[in-house]
Amino acid sequence: DIQMTQSPSSLSASVGDRVTITCQASQDIANYLSWYQQKPGKAPNLLIYDASNLETGVPSRFSGSGSGTDFTFTISSLQPEDIGTYYCQQYDNLYSFGQGTKLEIK
Amino acid sequence: EVQLVESGGGLVKPGGSLRLSCVASGFTFSDYSMHWVRQAPGKGLEWVSSISSNSEYIDYADSVQGRFTISRDNAKNSLFLQMNSLRAEDTAVYYCARGGPVTQSQFDYWGQGTLVTVSS
Repeated sequence: DIQMTQSPSSLSASVGDRVTITCQASQDIANYLSWYQQKPGKAPNLLIYDASNLETGVPSRFSGSGSGTDFTFTISSLQPEDIGTYYCQQYDNLYSFGQGTKLEIK
Repeated sequence: EVQLVESGGGLVKPGGSLRLSCVASGFTFSDYSMHWVRQAPGKGLEWVSSISSNSEYIDYADSVQGRFTISRDNAKNSLFLQMNSLRAEDTAVYYCARGGPVTQSQFDYWGQGTLVTVSS
């Protein structure tokens, strides 16, 4: 099984800040990685797929990078509506999620 | 508009069974793989099971292998999850999600979820 290690587990930042979350896979997953945002009581929402492709309709302040085992998710300028929990997911060999990063506004 | 609507959740005793359904609309259901993902209260996301577009390929997480069965009816645009021998640790919100035409793909649409509670 492929383990996904996401960090940090929680993050507090100010509006306008640049925010970065990292995700490390236990083995090479090429670029088979996606990022999701989940707000309380709601289903996850796809933001990034294939490590760096922005899903249609997602604001351009969100971006992703990386390949192999190390990946990064970035919000270039944090907005109040970005609060929530963010998850990475690998789909190279079956599927697995990172443990999540809870993002709060400072 | 793509929509996924789950149903069938509820309260069940340990050892009991439950069948979840997910009805899809707004896309050609038979062209896409489908998946079940669950989230225990206050916890993260856990992939449960996947089924390819023509039901040829089926996979399960180790935690549910042998107890859960995924299936689909492409004529009725429906996805199912038969859950047997339920345990307290199966308590979670269960989401159905759409994959892609191929196995290796992200989950681009999700339902609103249905809550399964396993308790005596």
